[in-house]
Amino acid sequence: KNQVEQSPQSLIILEGKNCTLQCNYTVSPFSNLRWYKQDTGRGPVSLTIMTFSENTKSNGRYTATLDADTKQSSLHITASQLSDSASYICVVTPAGNNRLAFGKGNQVVVIP
Amino acid sequence: EAQVTQNPRYLITVTGKKLTVTCSQNMNHEYMSWYRQDPGLGLRQIYYSMNVEVTDKGDVPEGYKVSRKEKRNFPLILESPSPNQTSLYFCASSTTGVTEAFFGQGTRLTVV
Repeated sequence: KNQVEQSPQSLIILEGKNCTLQCNYTVSPFSNLRWYKQDTGRGPVSLTIMTFSENTKSNGRYTATLDADTKQSSLHITASQLSDSASYICVVTPAGNNRLAFGKGNQVVVIP
Repeated sequence: EAQVTQNPRYLITVTGKKLTVTCSQNMNHEYMSWYRQDPGLGLRQIYYSMNVEVTDKGDVPEGYKVSRKEKRNFPLILESPSPNQTSLYFCASSTTGVTEAFFGQGTRLTVV
C-alpha cells in the first residue's frame, strides 16, 4: 500500500523563526507531490506542486524540496507568522492513476 | 469568483436516512473528487471523476455513491448513512494533469 509519512506530527514555533516539515513516501511509480495548507475548519489550499524532475519550488515564504531518489520532501517556512498556524498536508499522486496518497499532516502552531 | 461550493455546510441526520451532499464548481474543471477527513486519519479519497460519466473508486468508497452527469456537479450520495460515516467531507476540482486542486469549504456530517 502506498504510504505518506509526515513528521513532526506537531510543533510549536516562535513568530519570526523558521521551521522545516518532512514528508517521506513509498508511492511508486511517482507522478507528483503537493503540499497543502489547511486552516482549522476550512478546505486545504495548494502551496506547491512538484513533478519528478523538479527539486525545489517556492511560494512566498514557503519553499518545498523534493528528492525523488530517496522519496523525501520537505516544506520550509521562513520567518513564520501567526497566520502560518495550520495543518500542512503532503499529498503524492501515483503515476497512471488518481488514487491520491495523503499524509496525516504536520500541525504547526506559531506563538507570539 | 472561481470556487467549489458544497451544500450543506452542516448536517445532522439519522441512521438509514438517504442524503445527498452537493458539490458544484464554476471553473470548467474536468477532474472532481470527494474526501473525508477524520481525526488521526487525515484526508482519505472516497471517489473521483475524470470527466462527465467517468467515475472511479478511491480508498474508502464503501457506503457512498457518486454521479457525474454534468461537468460542474459531482454529488455525493449516502444511501443508508451509518454513524461511522460521521466525518468532515471535502469536494475538490482541478483540470487534468499536474495542476492545482481547489477545495470546497467542507461539509460536517453527523449521523446519529
